[in-house]
Amino acid sequence: EADIYQTPRYLVIGTGKKITLECSQTMGHDKMYWYQQDPGMELHLIHYSYGVNSTEKGDLSSESTVSRIRTEHFPLTLESARPSHTSQYLCASSHIGQGLGNTEAFFGQGTRLTVV
Amino acid sequence: KNQVEQSPQSLIILEGKNCTLQCNYTVSPFSNLRWYKQDTGRGPVSLTIMTFSENTKSNGRYTATLDADTKQSSLHITASQLSDSASYICVVSDRGSTLGRLYFGRGTQLTVWP
Repeated sequence: EADIYQTPRYLVIGTGKKITLECSQTMGHDKMYWYQQDPGMELHLIHYSYGVNSTEKGDLSSESTVSRIRTEHFPLTLESARPSHTSQYLCASSHIGQGLGNTEAFFGQGTRLTVV
Repeated sequence: KNQVEQSPQSLIILEGKNCTLQCNYTVSPFSNLRWYKQDTGRGPVSLTIMTFSENTKSNGRYTATLDADTKQSSLHITASQLSDSASYICVVSDRGSTLGRLYFGRGTQLTVWP
């Protein structure tokens, strides 16, 4: 079983509130990712990190921000939540691959966010 | 444009039957292809991972095949169980960048009926 954890699992919050979704992994992985997934749809990359102090935006535009102060921790923050932010957020991590990059990506259980 | 297409979108089978899920991709340059199982409301869990030199890989009742020439993969599930009901996602990684980007299919929603 993968050692990557997300909290909370479920969150219902009012519009305008600031929220932080937590993601931690104990595998010492360099790369970490945040994905957004709507029901029945594919995962969309919103943020990623190569390592400490490295953060990049992904393919899907997102109003969220991330930080990577420690290798094991990659929190995602929404400064002012809106109903359009309602979705499932998945965190993942992997080693930086060498050669063919044949490395496993491990996912957390996800955070189901509902903004009312 | 790098894409991953899966078929069918959804599938219903009876317990004990076999089924095959398809994945076509256009990701280039290709690094590896993974199949994940995602239960409702949970994160994806890896089933298999294959590089271009691997044609077949098995994990219990799951057998994945890869044809790197035609850019097609399949996931065969043998003797299905109720617990196999989930979304099965095909994920292709490229090696055109340090990141090794992951490209996700939309998944096949499998339902196993008793």
